[in-house]
Amino acid sequence: LAKITQPISMDSYEGQEVNITCSHNNIATNDYITWYQQFPSQGPRFIIQGYKTKVTNEVASLFIPADRKSSTLSLPRVSLSDTAVYYCLAVFYGGSQGNLIFGKGTKLSVKP
Amino acid sequence: DAGVIQSPRHEVTEMGQEVTLRCKPISGHNSLFWYRQTMMRGLELLIYFNNNVPIDDSGMPEDRFSAKMPNASFSTLKIQPSEPRDSAVYFCASSRGPKPQHFGDGTRLSIL
Repeated sequence: LAKITQPISMDSYEGQEVNITCSHNNIATNDYITWYQQFPSQGPRFIIQGYKTKVTNEVASLFIPADRKSSTLSLPRVSLSDTAVYYCLAVFYGGSQGNLIFGKGTKLSVKP
Repeated sequence: DAGVIQSPRHEVTEMGQEVTLRCKPISGHNSLFWYRQTMMRGLELLIYFNNNVPIDDSGMPEDRFSAKMPNASFSTLKIQPSEPRDSAVYFCASSRGPKPQHFGDGTRLSIL
């Protein structure tokens, strides 16, 4: 059964590093894991994607272990404007909703 | 770059009526996705087009839902007849590859 698990919510303070982990068993072996950010009344916005090990861009890092059963989005030194819902997306073989499955999202609240 | 454009932004109608949602993808993108977002079920892929051809429609709930992409710059999602349980935010996304990269701001649909 295609399933992605991520925490429903997380709280943080400005300036802290935040790590959000998705668990995803049995994902396709040859496809990327992708993370998105969503603000209220907007569509999800692409943040970062990776296949394995570590990927870094100007806004985040993504850590993926060798077994690819999880992935961790790392946001360095968060600010109030990082308050949003964060989703991971993975490809499964034979998923009931098609192969592209989103997690249910992690609502990150950043406090001053 | 105008981004993915969806219309209308909001739609309120009575059950039994036909609803048509519209999407203009980013120019040059050859993949288009329709998603539905609800609190209970999160982001669900309804249908995925590549080069105007439906590739995966396994997420379309039932025969009341239909989607078309007559050309590379326009797609519609139609619900006929609509039911209250269809109330949700519907997102269109486009990309140059098999993953949704750029989302529109969605259509908030309320069926009374």
